[in-house]
Amino acid sequence: EADIYQTPRYLVIGTGKKITLECSQTMGHDKMYWYQQDPGMELHLIHYSYGVNSTEKGDLSSESTVSRIRTEHFPLTLESARPSHTSQYLCASSGTAGNTIYFGEGSWLTVV
Amino acid sequence: QKEVEQNSGPLSVPEGAIASLNCTYSDRGSQSFFWYRQYSGKSPELIMSIYSNGDKEDGRFTAQLNKASQYVSLLIRDSQPSDSATYLCAVPGSARQLTFGSGTQLTVLP
Repeated sequence: EADIYQTPRYLVIGTGKKITLECSQTMGHDKMYWYQQDPGMELHLIHYSYGVNSTEKGDLSSESTVSRIRTEHFPLTLESARPSHTSQYLCASSGTAGNTIYFGEGSWLTVV
Repeated sequence: QKEVEQNSGPLSVPEGAIASLNCTYSDRGSQSFFWYRQYSGKSPELIMSIYSNGDKEDGRFTAQLNKASQYVSLLIRDSQPSDSATYLCAVPGSARQLTFGSGTQLTVLP
């Protein structure tokens, strides 16, 4: 059982607002990821990190930013939300022993 | 060519039948392979991993790997309606993290 937590689970916000999606894991994993997934659609990697102070952009261009100041914490921030940002955001982590990725429960973001 | 390709389905099987899900990958150097299950509105969960050629069985699930053909499959025996979900194949990609296929939607009909 993976211990990876995301908050908030559901969020409805207005256009132009700044939001931060929180993600924490208690497994001591070095690698953390953010995926974006629209309902019924593919998973798209938008950010990843291989350790503290390491962040990279993923395959899908995103206006969001991330930070990795602590091993266990990998928050994602949108400075000015738009309706096109409406989606599910999935945080995940993996250890150095293998590539198995464990997902959090996801954060559903709706921008109105 | 996409790094990981799956038949998108949807695939429908009757309850009790064998469901067969297929995945091909492009990187011949890949050493590990994963199957995830994702229920509608939920996050993916790992159900099987396989590293060696041949079959790996876990309960009603069997993963099959053929590295020469760059092919990995998942068989679900005695399919149940609760198996209805999207199944994602994942393989380490060129950027060292897992690359997910687009998923195969499976429906098990009672």
